[in-house]
Amino acid sequence: IAGITQAPTSQILAAGRRMTLRCTQDMRHNAMYWYRQDLGLGLRLIHYSNTAGTTGKGEVPDGYSVSRANTDDFPLTLASAVPSQTSVYFCASSEGDRGDYNEQFFGPGTRLTVL
Amino acid sequence: GQNIDQPTEMTATEGAIVQINCTYQTSGFNGLFWYQQHAGEAPTFLSYNVLDGLEEKGRFSSFLSRSKGYSYLLLKELQMKDSASYLCAGMDSNYQLIWGAGTKLIIKP
Repeated sequence: IAGITQAPTSQILAAGRRMTLRCTQDMRHNAMYWYRQDLGLGLRLIHYSNTAGTTGKGEVPDGYSVSRANTDDFPLTLASAVPSQTSVYFCASSEGDRGDYNEQFFGPGTRLTVL
Repeated sequence: GQNIDQPTEMTATEGAIVQINCTYQTSGFNGLFWYQQHAGEAPTFLSYNVLDGLEEKGRFSSFLSRSKGYSYLLLKELQMKDSASYLCAGMDSNYQLIWGAGTKLIIKP
């Protein structure tokens, strides 16, 4: 693989179900991010990780959790999905978090529908 | 609060020049990014400005005025493939990006 990948590409999920969105990068980037993108709104940060072993909350963390066990992987888990979590989810990574090291590279996105 | 404002939609003609404006209010400021996003695809990096002035990169240029909280993206010699959304993002004091909703640019022949 080259760059950053996400799985699944799309998913339809029943409300109340648990779901994990996967994200893997092979650029050895220190920082990783999860965003959601909704029509008419900017990208909103859900959670981030500045380096393996650490995570932080973004603007809209409620209902989501993340882990960063190693440099490459940054899964996002919805413990009990609700319809308001219907969105396009983007994973991104950057070399660092300062200056132009924060140039973020995005995965192709996961389109999630919660019914 | 933190806020990024940019026009929702703009229309321009193939071969022309278009300027997309962005105003920002962030808690602290560590630079401003522009990204391009084609429909159904991921955003891709265009430019990063942290000092006042114009940065030119081929057909695309980006300008920043820190005192005015203002930036613009200038696209020259427009091509049909430039039809996309253009996202402005300011980096705050915590080095997190605050994103605008994006400007959808429609190019007409």
